[in-house]
Amino acid sequence: EAGVVQSPRYKIIEKKQPVAFWCNPISGHNTLYWYLQNLGQGPELLIRYENEEAVDDSQLPKDRFSAERLKGVDSTLKIQPAELGDSAVYLCASSSPPGANVLTFGAGSRLTVL
Amino acid sequence: RKEVEQDPGPFNVPEGATVAFNCTYSNSASQSFFWYRQDCRKEPKLLMSVYSSGNEDGRFTAQLNRASQYISLLIRDSKLSDSATYLCVVIPLGQAGTALIFGKGTTLSVSS
Repeated sequence: EAGVVQSPRYKIIEKKQPVAFWCNPISGHNTLYWYLQNLGQGPELLIRYENEEAVDDSQLPKDRFSAERLKGVDSTLKIQPAELGDSAVYLCASSSPPGANVLTFGAGSRLTVL
Repeated sequence: RKEVEQDPGPFNVPEGATVAFNCTYSNSASQSFFWYRQDCRKEPKLLMSVYSSGNEDGRFTAQLNRASQYISLLIRDSKLSDSATYLCVVIPLGQAGTALIFGKGTTLSVSS
């Protein structure tokens, strides 16, 4: 069974440019998360979806970040415009009852903003 | 005070050593606890859940102390392959599956 798939794995852009990350969760997993991980820090939640509904986006900087999960399966996270401080790893994770508290992470998308 | 605090380390130990990490949490109503492992430049992966009665998985033992609001991870007979960052994870009451709060992680380096 394929795990959580993310792309691209690496992205280098100049500041003020847009960038998008894609995530395909494990088949059948209703809950999808986007986390941000800075170097030397633990993952921090950006947004959580239950099917296609964003149920927790309180930590998403909505002035420049947006996300969607239109059909309740794969998801896209977008940053526009990117800032130097956005350089980080963007991790997607999914889960499903009965193991709703157990997350399976993708390999992450490493963003470098120059 | 951060919700979940860990000593970042690094903990440098020889093979065969026993090492313990602690993690403190600020929300006394937290209900679920986990340890995740993250290898360098890899994604976090679940290591084990932490139960009030304590639980053991091979060389790994996890303990929860609700009175003092900390959880611990004990690794016996350390192997080179145990070198990684260990992330403490807490879920507050009433937010199952919604708000996994990660600590910064504790880095372990096992040497031969």
